[in-house]
Amino acid sequence: AQSVTQLDSQVPVFEEAPVELRCNYSSSVSVYLFWYVQYPNQGLQLLLKYLSGSTLVKGINGFEAEFNKSQTSFHLRKPSVHISDTAEYFCAVSPISGGYNKLIFGAGTRLAVHP
Amino acid sequence: NAGVTQTPKFQVLKTGQSMTLQCAQDMNHNSMYWYRQDPGMGLRLIYYSASEGTTDKGEVPNGYNVSRLNKREFSLRLESAAPSQTSVYFCASSEGFFGQETQYFGPGTRLLVL
Repeated sequence: AQSVTQLDSQVPVFEEAPVELRCNYSSSVSVYLFWYVQYPNQGLQLLLKYLSGSTLVKGINGFEAEFNKSQTSFHLRKPSVHISDTAEYFCAVSPISGGYNKLIFGAGTRLAVHP
Repeated sequence: NAGVTQTPKFQVLKTGQSMTLQCAQDMNHNSMYWYRQDPGMGLRLIYYSASEGTTDKGEVPNGYNVSRLNKREFSLRLESAAPSQTSVYFCASSEGFFGQETQYFGPGTRLLVL
């Protein structure tokens, strides 16, 4: 079984400051890793995903994430945030073996960017 | 190209009433999913359809049924609504059922059961 822990439920930050949203996971099998973003009153959309290869993954809107296998983490970072980045961010995993697309989500981190 | 659409956007039910949430995708995707989103719990999978003609239970299937009507449409039915089913419901689709594939989400249905 898999589980995902997002270590911060809310992260307040000022505009143009850097931000890191933390995600740890637990799994008995290898997993793919995802970050999804949910803007207010909208559905989720993919920010980035790690499948294999380089552990640093770049996504849309200037976000990037680093996969750390030894620490079972997949933290999301952005060097300079904008007001428009205010949203809820979800980390998720999907098992590699078995060939099925079952996403297991964390509880979410609400990012609030202040002017 | 509308992507994934859901109807209705909002619904209020009384305990014991029934309703069907509709979902359609125009991306020719094979796999479709229903999730519920509750505060502090992220999204949890209710049912999924790996391909047209198949459906299977997810993490929280009790109290729900689904129908994969055709390749485009996947509906979720609440036969006898309960207050515990108050939630935001999201439909999603993906091209295939492999773990690396991106899921595309609809805008959600907000359901209140009184």
